[in-house]
Formats: sequence, C-alpha cells, structure tokens
Amino acid sequence: DTGVSQDPRHKITKRGQNVTFRCDPISEHNRLYWYRQTLGQGPEFLTYFQNEAQLEKSRLLSDRFSAERPKGSFSTLEIQRTEQGDSAMYLCASSLILRQGGDGYTFGSGTRLTVV
Amino acid sequence: AQKITQTQPGMFVQEKEAVTLDCTYDTSDPSYGLFWYKQPSSGEMIFLIYQGSYDQQNATEGRYSLNFQKARKSANLVISASQLGDSAMYFCAMREGRSGNTPLVFGKGTRLSVIA
Repeated sequence: DTGVSQDPRHKITKRGQNVTFRCDPISEHNRLYWYRQTLGQGPEFLTYFQNEAQLEKSRLLSDRFSAERPKGSFSTLEIQRTEQGDSAMYLCASSLILRQGGDGYTFGSGTRLTVV
Repeated sequence: AQKITQTQPGMFVQEKEAVTLDCTYDTSDPSYGLFWYKQPSSGEMIFLIYQGSYDQQNATEGRYSLNFQKARKSANLVISASQLGDSAMYFCAMREGRSGNTPLVFGKGTRLSVIA
C-alpha cells in the first residue's frame, strides 16, 4: 500500500493554457474523488468515480474541467483555458465502497496549481 | 446553507494542555457520518477520527476524542496532551446517508498552533 499519489506536486501555467493532473489511488480502492481547496478554505468536492464510472459532478466543475478514470485505476483531471481563479490545491482521495465509517477517505498530497 | 460550521479560525494551546475544536453540522438525514482531518503545512489530509450518527458512544483514537452531542448537532474534537506536531489545520467533515454514496462535505477549518 503506497497510498494515494498525485502528480505533479506543483504546476505553474500561463492563463489560457491547458493543464492535466494525475491521481493514482490505493489499488484496492474502487472510489476516487477530486476536491479543490483554495487558500483559507476547506476542500470543495468536484467529482467522483466508482471504478470507471463518473457518478457525480459538482456545479463547481465548469465545462472547462473534465475528469476521466478510463480503466478504473488512475484518474486524470484536465483544466482547459485556465483562468487565474483556477489557482488552488487539487486533492485526490480514494476509498472502498460501502466501507461504513472507519477510516474515511485516503488523500494524496495534492497538486498545487498557480495560474499566472 | 453551510452543512459544516467551524467558528474558530484559529486557536492557540500550550504544549501538554488539552484543546477543543468546535464543529456544528446541519442535516435532515438521520444517517450520517462525521469525520475530522488534520492538514499539516505539507498539504496532505490525514484522517483522525470518525463518529457515526447511530453510535452510542463518543469515538476515541489515542489522544483524539470526539464530543458528539446529537441534539445540538455538534461534533467537537478534543485533543489531549497537545504536542508541537499537532500544529496544523483541522477540518470537520460530514457524509450524509448510510450507504456512503454522497461525498464528504468539509468545513472551513481551524488553524491550531501549539506553543512550547
């Protein structure tokens, strides 16, 4: 169990560019979540997958955002035509379905995006 | 409406003393789970403790305990014998429903500073 891995740890991009982040969950976890966290705030839910199916998307996830989990393992989050307001920490977490209570989600260390 | 409210933006505590971090929640679902996470400056969200809405006893995990007052809809985190390494952001979170199909919703957090 190597935990949840996110890549890259930091990304600086110019406004208008596209960026893609990757998340590798714990291998036996079938649920994967993306959250966004801005400075001084708690994490805000973006979307989640059960295996390869995207089950829910937040209204925060504009048309410029797309997430995939093609084989039910790793996931990617792409932001097109980045804006300065996209600057945030993007957190990925994984969990086992129907695991009642217990340990909640396991989070990765996040990808910090800065749009200049 | 805010589902999770953390009213203390920042707290200070002397090393070896106990500290209580406040959390109130709002839900009409009789089945829910309450979580506390720690986020050190490195950014990773670390699970601390869980309380289910039907649990009869307050949850405890080592130096962490959760003071669950269902009628008041509060789920305060108590850290006993504070250590310098406890300095971090602390987030309260809730998941509604029994099956775990809804994502965690987080509060805005409390920054705890432990003073030597």
